[in-house]
Order: sequence, then C-alpha cells, then structure tokens
Amino acid sequence: QVQLVESGGGLVKPGGSLRLSCAASGFPLSDYYMNWIRQAPGKGLEWIANSSGGDSNRDYADSVKGRFTISRDNAKNSLYLQMNSLRAEDTAVYYCARGANLDHWGQGTLVTVSS
Amino acid sequence: EIVLTQSPGTLSLSPGERATLSCRASQSLTGRYLTWYQQKPGQAPRLLIYGASNRATGIPDRFSGSGSGTDFTLTISRLEPEDFAVYYCQHYGISWYIFGQGTKLEIK
Repeated sequence: QVQLVESGGGLVKPGGSLRLSCAASGFPLSDYYMNWIRQAPGKGLEWIANSSGGDSNRDYADSVKGRFTISRDNAKNSLYLQMNSLRAEDTAVYYCARGANLDHWGQGTLVTVSS
Repeated sequence: EIVLTQSPGTLSLSPGERATLSCRASQSLTGRYLTWYQQKPGQAPRLLIYGASNRATGIPDRFSGSGSGTDFTLTISRLEPEDFAVYYCQHYGISWYIFGQGTKLEIK
C-alpha cells in the first residue's frame, strides 16, 4: 500500500539549515507530482513546494522561495526538502503529500526553529 | 491571489445531525478544482472529496461535496462520533495550492 514517511526534523537555531526526507513506498515516485505542506502549531495548512514527476518543474510558495529547495531521487523513491536560513516562523510540522489531490500524506516531521 | 474563506469557524452539533460546511472563493475557480480534507488531532490530513464532488477511495457516502464557481459545500448527512475533526478546503492552480483556514466540527 501507499506509504510516505518523513524524517529529518528537529531543533535548529535561527539562520540554520535542515534537510527533510520523505521515503515513498507502494508506488513509483516518478509517476507523481509530490508536495511539501507545513502546519505551524495550532494553525492551518500551508503548501510550500512541489516537484513534477521527472523533477523538471519545481514551484514554491513566496514564504520559502529562495530559502528552501525541493528535490527528489526517483531511483530511491525519495523526496527531499533542503531548508536554509531558517526563521522562527518556519516552526511547523512538515508533511509530504502525493499528487495534485494530495491523496496520501505522511505522518509529518516537526521542525522547531529556536535559539 | 485567490483566498478561500471557510464558515463557520466552529460548528457544534450532535451525533446523528447533519453538518453543512461552506468554502467561499474570492474569485471563480476554474475546473472545479476544489478539494476537502479532514484532520483529527495529532494526525495528518485525509483526502475526503476532490473535484468538488468526488469522494476519495474509502470515504463513506455520508460525506458529499457540491458547488461551483465561488461557493462550495461539504455535507455530512448523519454525523458519526469519528467525524468530529477539523475540515479544510483547498484549491490548486498551475503552480500553487491554497487552503482555507479550516472549520472545526465539535460535539455539542
């Protein structure tokens, strides 16, 4: 069955960097757009980035453009999010989600940006 | 930029009652690309409805979606205890996704 498992979250200081991973199983990653969505504590959902199946097209929300980079390794069935210049307002649970309809989500990984 | 406004912010109902949740877009949505998700505390969101009115795999038929243009509705015909959660609507364009702020459905 389809499964998405995020990892790589943790505590990081403002200005620091972190790389999140999303391991996909049960389907070929190359067949799907993949997304990163985040949710700040007690807040709603915010889409932040996506990548086309072949990784030829990447889009970002304005809030992370120039600081975050989405990438993937289809051979490893894995999606990544490189996060640089982190700010306190980036503190959130980060989810990866499949496809245009976000039909499957991982369980999320918590990123806390604090000194 | 399209804004999705959900109402009410909180809806208090009892099991067995009918729930009607609204999602209004600031401009007409092309292609009826309106999606609904359910999120329970401590869990990831779950896809309920896509294309405004199509139930996702495994979603009970008490959940239904309707609407077009700027006004969309999620209806739960008879509330079950497990339906009390937060519901989000969402729309996607060519290179972006927008979520509503959510409606919390709580037990009265």
